[in-house]
Amino acid sequence: EAQVTQNPRYLITVTGKKLTVTCSQNMNHEYMSWYRQDPGLGLRQIYYSMNVEVTDKGDVPEGYKVSRKEKRNFPLILESPSPNQTSLYFCASKRDREGYSEAFFGQGTRLTVV
Amino acid sequence: AQTVTQSQPEMSVQEAETVTLSCTYDTSESDYYLFWYKQPPSRQMILVIRQEAYKQQNATENRFSVNFQKAAKSFSLKISDSQLGDAAMYFCALKGGGSNYKLTFGKGTLLTVNP
Repeated sequence: EAQVTQNPRYLITVTGKKLTVTCSQNMNHEYMSWYRQDPGLGLRQIYYSMNVEVTDKGDVPEGYKVSRKEKRNFPLILESPSPNQTSLYFCASKRDREGYSEAFFGQGTRLTVV
Repeated sequence: AQTVTQSQPEMSVQEAETVTLSCTYDTSESDYYLFWYKQPPSRQMILVIRQEAYKQQNATENRFSVNFQKAAKSFSLKISDSQLGDAAMYFCALKGGGSNYKLTFGKGTLLTVNP
């Protein structure tokens, strides 16, 4: 089954404790991306990757890091989480740069930073 | 910069009735794509329907259809014969023709379906 898998689905952590949210896709997609969803703001792009070892900032990259060492994986790293990073996070992948192709989303990760 | 505006934070509809969700957008690109995503309480993001800007014909997917008005930069979603399972948050999204596949999302419309 084609899917994007995020882990964990729920996470509560304390300020400053490094964490990683994993994302893996089994569709051999080139494009992967991270979004955060906040009430009243919709989804906003954090980082994206067009292929292995190619990553770039989205609209809200501050406080986040990513890596793309393998095509299937695109982890999101919070080196020193702060309460304003409490949010719902989505990983997404897409086959290619053609705009019409569908973006597949993971199940979401609810992160709370206290 | 691209923007997507959903002016209706919440909407409600009676089961079996028709409802239209509004979306307007702005982009300087001539080549772009528009999408409606559904997010039920499970939080999963589900693609409902998509439209290529160069196509004049409005997209349809079963009970879902769009009214795409390119000159007005409007992309509304019509849900016919509404069902209880249609209750969800609906997001309108825009992708420009650049190499970044970023989707620019609206703030969402929460749809309630009343039995």
